[in-house]
Amino acid sequence: EDQVTQSPEALRLQEGESSSLNCSYTVSGLRGLFWYRQDPGKGPEFLFTLYSAGEEKEKERLKATLTKKESFLHITAPKPEDSATYLCAVQRDQNFVFGPGTRLSVLP
Amino acid sequence: DGGITQSPKYLFRKEGQNVTLSCEQNLNHDAMYWYRQDPGQGLRLIYYSQIVNDFQKGDIAEGYSVSREKKESFPLTVTSAQKNPTAFYLCASSIDLRVLNTEAFFGQGTRLTVV
Repeated sequence: EDQVTQSPEALRLQEGESSSLNCSYTVSGLRGLFWYRQDPGKGPEFLFTLYSAGEEKEKERLKATLTKKESFLHITAPKPEDSATYLCAVQRDQNFVFGPGTRLSVLP
Repeated sequence: DGGITQSPKYLFRKEGQNVTLSCEQNLNHDAMYWYRQDPGQGLRLIYYSQIVNDFQKGDIAEGYSVSREKKESFPLTVTSAQKNPTAFYLCASSIDLRVLNTEAFFGQGTRLTVV
């Protein structure tokens, strides 16, 4: 069964303190792995798509990487405005399976 | 601007009532999806549709119904058979995944509360 898990469940960082979020997946034949950011009461906002092991994508302070079993979202020198829930998803045939998310808090 | 519009933003339902959540997109996407999100949980798939006049049940379809009469619209009805409908409902769309592996884009959600 296709499954996505994320760790940690919650993460508190001081402003400027870099860290990584993990997304582990089990899917037969990965067709795409996706990262989203979700603010409270809002819909998820698309960040990155990764298709093959070794691929990396960057956007401002965020960098997503992919291996055969997991993906990491690296956050470099985070700011308070990076506080949000970060969701990971994989494509499963004709739809998407989501992980439970990591709730990130960046303290000034 | 292209995007996905969900309405209403907040919806209150009395027990025993059916309610319909609206989802409209102008991205010219073939595929549309409905997800449910409960506090502290990930998104769970209710229904999805890759093409007009065709849709499939997701992981938690019981108590819900959908229609796909137009490419732009994918309304979700929460029926009285849904035991615990209070949740945040999210609609998404993408290019047809049978044609291309690609990401989905989301609307801003509808928060449904049973009173």
